Amino acid sequence: QSVLTQPPSASGTPGQRVTISCSGSSSNIGSNTVNWYQQLPGTAPKLLIYSNNQRPSGVPDRFSGSKSGTSASLAISGLQSEDEADYYCAAWDDSLNVYYVFGTGTKVTVL
Amino acid sequence: EVQLVQSGAEVKKPGESLKISCKGSGYSFTSYWIGWVRQMPGKGLEWMGIIYPGDSDTRYSPSFQGQVTISADKSISTAYLQWSSLKASDTAMYYCVRGDGDSPFFDYWGQGTLVTVSS
Repeated sequence: QSVLTQPPSASGTPGQRVTISCSGSSSNIGSNTVNWYQQLPGTAPKLLIYSNNQRPSGVPDRFSGSKSGTSASLAISGLQSEDEADYYCAAWDDSLNVYYVFGTGTKVTVL
Repeated sequence: EVQLVQSGAEVKKPGESLKISCKGSGYSFTSYWIGWVRQMPGKGLEWMGIIYPGDSDTRYSPSFQGQVTISADKSISTAYLQWSSLKASDTAMYYCVRGDGDSPFFDYWGQGTLVTVSS
């Protein structure tokens, strides 16, 4: 069971801005950086954002990440049809055992 | 070009053993972590564990500790995920991932290996 909570779904029309939240705790988001992954239908996930707000080479600047306290957000500006995918936040958790945890995932639909 | 190429789909019976593989190329295999991620049908991502091939340091998620074994053979740049006795609930897609940094994020993903366990 994931300790990072995301809304199950989000949607918007082309060109709109969509924001996805990720809620954690002091042992994960509160003390470690957050990463975001995008999974297009039928494909392997890919890294979208790392270290809270860094984009790997090739990721459009329409995608941005932020973190505050024990929560993080992913924003998609200028939503496009090809952004329809599942999005997962993730972070290391420093509770009893150190391990990596993914969020529950958010399905983004472009209307 | 960095690539992680995984072994092909498997169909097994409950109680059987299995070892799937992930071959890294295009980078220094011993300088990055290799991890495994499970995705059950229609479900989200679950982190299973990682190994640092340089020194074989291995870490497991509490959910998978004792259930699987992660290993690596740096001589052939290949990591493995192994089960000694499969269950139907192990049916899933398994991805290998490359981890970068001290608290690694996973910047490259394999294509996935589908494991089906059915009697």
